[in-house]
Amino acid sequence: AQSVTQLDSHVSVSEGTPVLLRCNYSSSYSPSLFWYVQHPNKGLQLLLKYTSAATLVKGINGFEAEFKKSETSFHLTKPSAHMSDAAEYFCVVSDYGGSQGNLIFGKGTKLSVKP
Amino acid sequence: DSGVTQTPKHLITATGQRVTLRCSPRSGDLSVYWYQQSLDQGLQFLIQYYNGEERAKGNILERFSAQQFPDLHSELNLSSLELGDSALYFCASSVGERGPLSTDTQYFGPGTRLTVL
Repeated sequence: AQSVTQLDSHVSVSEGTPVLLRCNYSSSYSPSLFWYVQHPNKGLQLLLKYTSAATLVKGINGFEAEFKKSETSFHLTKPSAHMSDAAEYFCVVSDYGGSQGNLIFGKGTKLSVKP
Repeated sequence: DSGVTQTPKHLITATGQRVTLRCSPRSGDLSVYWYQQSLDQGLQFLIQYYNGEERAKGNILERFSAQQFPDLHSELNLSSLELGDSALYFCASSVGERGPLSTDTQYFGPGTRLTVL
């Protein structure tokens, strides 16, 4: 079965400094991996996805993530944080196990950005 | 705006009651997924429909049921409600049957916040 672990429940950075949100996954197959963002009182928005093409994936709003099979990681980064990046971020793996394509979510990492 | 709509936005009801949540997928999407986001369990998959047929089941309680209609909108029915059912319920849609396996992206609606008192 697939699973995903987000290593930090809360990350705090200053505006203009780099962001690193860590995610490790477990999968018996070549996984599809995603990062979604949830702003307060809003729905989930797809930031980026990895589906076995390039290992460095560029997403919206300057975010990118690198798939590292040897480390089973898919960490999310951004060179310079903006106040509007404050939100909760979910690392997600698609479930090949017994289902047709539902998503398995990590517990989420809340990103705070200080001025 | 993802193109997925959910109604109502908020729902407050009492224990033992029954409610229906509605979801309209993006134009052209045939798959609808339901997810529950609660403080205890985080975000978890409930059920998937593709073109009117149930495709996959996750951690959906027997008190909950769903269906997808010929116009592709979907309804999630929650009955005999308990305090622990209070959560944010998301609907997502994608083009294909197999969601991310076919490089489909799942697009999420804004959610329905259910409060059971």
